[in-house]
Amino acid sequence: QVQLVESGGGVVQPGGSLRLSCAASGFPFNSFPMHWVRQSPGKGLECVAFIRFDGSRQSYADSVKGRFTISRDNSKNILYLQMSSLRNDDTGVYYCARETDVGSYLMDYWGQGALVTVSS
Amino acid sequence: AIQMTQSPSSLSASVGDRVTITCRASQDIGNELGWYQQKPGKAPKLLIYTTSALHNEVPSRFSGRGSGTDFTLTISGLQPEDFATYFCLQDFNYPYTFGQGTKLE
Repeated sequence: QVQLVESGGGVVQPGGSLRLSCAASGFPFNSFPMHWVRQSPGKGLECVAFIRFDGSRQSYADSVKGRFTISRDNSKNILYLQMSSLRNDDTGVYYCARETDVGSYLMDYWGQGALVTVSS
Repeated sequence: AIQMTQSPSSLSASVGDRVTITCRASQDIGNELGWYQQKPGKAPKLLIYTTSALHNEVPSRFSGRGSGTDFTLTISGLQPEDFATYFCLQDFNYPYTFGQGTKLE
């Protein structure tokens, strides 16, 4: 069965960095575009980063552009989100999610989420 | 970014009721819209994609309609497990954007 397991969340000071990982299993990871989506009480659900199946293209929300980098290692079935220059409003639960296999660009399978808290 | 306006923000209903949630897009998004259900402490679950297609194993009491800028999610015959928060999401262009959510209670 499809599984996505995030790790790397934690508490970080403003201006700091953190790297999230998402280990994928149960499907051909190298065939699927992937997303990072975050959720916070103040901003709700927000798509922050997207990467094509082969890593050839990435897209970002304006709020994280230039600070976050999405990448993937298809040999290890792992998705990453490198976050730097973190701000208080980056606090939230970060989910990795897989694009559907039914011709829609939406996300069908999600991980359990990793909590990131930016606070001094 | 495309803005999604979802209403109502909360909805009180009973088992067996029929309820409708609405999402309006700030521009024409064709039929590139989906609906998610989220329960506390869990990730969102995909219910409907491309406006009206039910995802795997989603009960037929869920239905979606609309096109362009106006979309609806209807649940016919509410079941106890349907009390949750619902979100719309446009995938017309990136960044995909969510509605603010409707809490069904």
